[in-house]
Amino acid sequence: QVQLQESGPGLVKPSQTLSLTCTVSGGSISSGGYYWSWIRQHPGKGLEWIGYIYYSGSTYYNPSLKSLVTISVDTSKNQFSLKLSSVTAADTAVYYCARGEYDYRTPHFDPWGQGTLVTVSS
Amino acid sequence: QPVLTQPPSSSASPGESARLTCTLPSDINVGSYNIYWYQQKPGSPPRYLLYYYSDSDKGQGSGVPSRFSGSKDASANTGILLISGLQSEDEADYYCMIWPSNALGVFGGGTKLTVL
Repeated sequence: QVQLQESGPGLVKPSQTLSLTCTVSGGSISSGGYYWSWIRQHPGKGLEWIGYIYYSGSTYYNPSLKSLVTISVDTSKNQFSLKLSSVTAADTAVYYCARGEYDYRTPHFDPWGQGTLVTVSS
Repeated sequence: QPVLTQPPSSSASPGESARLTCTLPSDINVGSYNIYWYQQKPGSPPRYLLYYYSDSDKGQGSGVPSRFSGSKDASANTGILLISGLQSEDEADYYCMIWPSNALGVFGGGTKLTVL
């Protein structure tokens, strides 16, 4: 059973870069067929898709965040990572990693990590 | 980005059915997209429930009871999540999602379902 776990600093200063890692266990990122994803949820709000990466390194980002986001994969560690630059208080959110699996046309996210709260504050 | 409209709240009694809606903007035809549904309980990550494209093209998440089902109302350009035989454990937030393109996934604002 595949499990995902986010890790990284819970507090980031404004204008700095938010960096998170998602460690995948119970399955290999390199096995292919899945899109490794980041989604965030602002406090008390809805969900926002950030982007995803295929094990080969192909990436897709939400256009609203594209210039600030980098998602990368380290198959040797079975991890993928998120970097969000020039953060502001508006980037305070719970960040989830999830596995995307295609349903012929588009993917669903399953499973999800437990999420990690990142607060942007000086 | 397209906006998927979900009613902020809905309620129903145990044993009844709950019909949750997700309305797409007029320039996006609901018939052309998989509609995804996720359930989120307080303090937990979202859980994938199902997707619906048509009666012959749909999928259920692992372990998701069959009393959760999807459909579409083309006349209203709306995706629907139907929960039959409501149980207290179904009280949660429900989010719909579509992919207007491979490079853009969009969630609805969510509906808080209360089981009275």
